[in-house]
Amino acid sequence: AQSVTQLGSHVSVSEGALVLLRCNYSSSVPPYLFWYVQYPNQGLQLLLKYTSAATLVKGINGFEAEFKKSETSFHLTKPSAHMSDAAEYFCAVSDHGGTSYGKLTFGQGTILTVHP
Amino acid sequence: NAGVTQTPKFQVLKTGQSMTLQCAQDMNHNSMYWYRQDPGMGLRLIYYSASEGTTDKGEVPNGYNVSRLNKREFSLRLESAAPSQTSVYFCASSDPPVGNTEAFFGQGTRLTVV
Repeated sequence: AQSVTQLGSHVSVSEGALVLLRCNYSSSVPPYLFWYVQYPNQGLQLLLKYTSAATLVKGINGFEAEFKKSETSFHLTKPSAHMSDAAEYFCAVSDHGGTSYGKLTFGQGTILTVHP
Repeated sequence: NAGVTQTPKFQVLKTGQSMTLQCAQDMNHNSMYWYRQDPGMGLRLIYYSASEGTTDKGEVPNGYNVSRLNKREFSLRLESAAPSQTSVYFCASSDPPVGNTEAFFGQGTRLTVV
């Protein structure tokens, strides 16, 4: 079964600092990978997705993520944090086929706090 | 653009009571999903429906039933609520099934079982 690990349940940065949220997946075949953001009391919104077209994926709000097969990682970064980035972030994977196809497996989530 | 609409937004139940969470999407998607979100555990799939007329169990189906009423609507029923079912429930839809496409999520239903 697929699994996703997000290192660090809480990350705190200063406004203007680099944001780095870590995600590692377990799969023998590179899956489809996603980052979602959840603002307080809201649903999940897609930030970006990897579908094998390019290893560096750019998303909304200045976020990007790099797929590294050798490290089974898909870390999320943003060069300069804004106060509005404070939210919970989820990494998720979906298989290409088999019994897991069409279903998302989520990581535990990382709460990002941005200090003035 | 409504997207995925869930009702109710909040609910408090007593142990043993039953209720149905409603979900409707207006994007003509074939696949629909129910997830529950618990602190520190991310979202876990309860049930999903790959297409109208089909439903399958996800990771945590015990204590729940679902109905794919038509292409738009996918409901989740708790027959006898338990405190362990206190959670935030999200409905999602996608087309095709999530693979190289994204899932769209509703705003969630916050359920407390006392």
